[in-house]
Amino acid sequence: EPEVTQTPSHQVTQMGQEVILRCVPISNHLYFYWYRQILGQKVEFLVSFYNNEISEKSEIFDDQFSVERPDGSNFTLKIRSTKLEDSAMYFCASGGGGGSYEQYFGPGTRLTVT
Amino acid sequence: KNQVEQSPQSLIILEGKNCTLQCNYTVSPFSNLRWYKQDTGRGPVSLTIMTFSENTKSNGRYTATLDADTKQSSLHITASQLSDSASYICVVSFFSGGYNKLIFGAGTRLAVHP
Repeated sequence: EPEVTQTPSHQVTQMGQEVILRCVPISNHLYFYWYRQILGQKVEFLVSFYNNEISEKSEIFDDQFSVERPDGSNFTLKIRSTKLEDSAMYFCASGGGGGSYEQYFGPGTRLTVT
Repeated sequence: KNQVEQSPQSLIILEGKNCTLQCNYTVSPFSNLRWYKQDTGRGPVSLTIMTFSENTKSNGRYTATLDADTKQSSLHITASQLSDSASYICVVSFFSGGYNKLIFGAGTRLAVHP
């Protein structure tokens, strides 16, 4: 059964460094999403991506964040200059669109900023 | 403001027993309501999705109900198993700009004890 994959599973970085989180969505899906979950808190929407551009972003998704689909298969989330408060689980999700409501989540990347 | 509230925050039950989790929402315009199961350190996995016109949906031992008038939903788990120990998250979506935007509840942490 196709699934969303994410790498790495755990990333440790120092404050101020850039990180890139990678996701491979399900191959025939058209909509892509990033969410984050700070430890002990609820999942929060960050951004959605469709047709090679951002379709919506939350107030969390500020200028430090960017997304890209560089090669038609990978979907990346970049954080330019990490802060301690960026430490969280980051989930990628993809969906087929076209009337399908379902979003399929990846296993997540745990980002720890020290 | 779009919000999803869940109760109880946590619940402990004995293996084989039934339980019911509650969800209240103030999301508009409503598109659908989902229940997800999230194991610790993993991404959410969909259990059920219900649209406005559906008031009950089952997936094995999981049965979800929806009252769109009172904006309430419940998830009933029958004959609980140890593997049911997880967080159960109520998610309400609304359709915006061609895709579904998800509002997450904080989840109910269920522990099933032998």
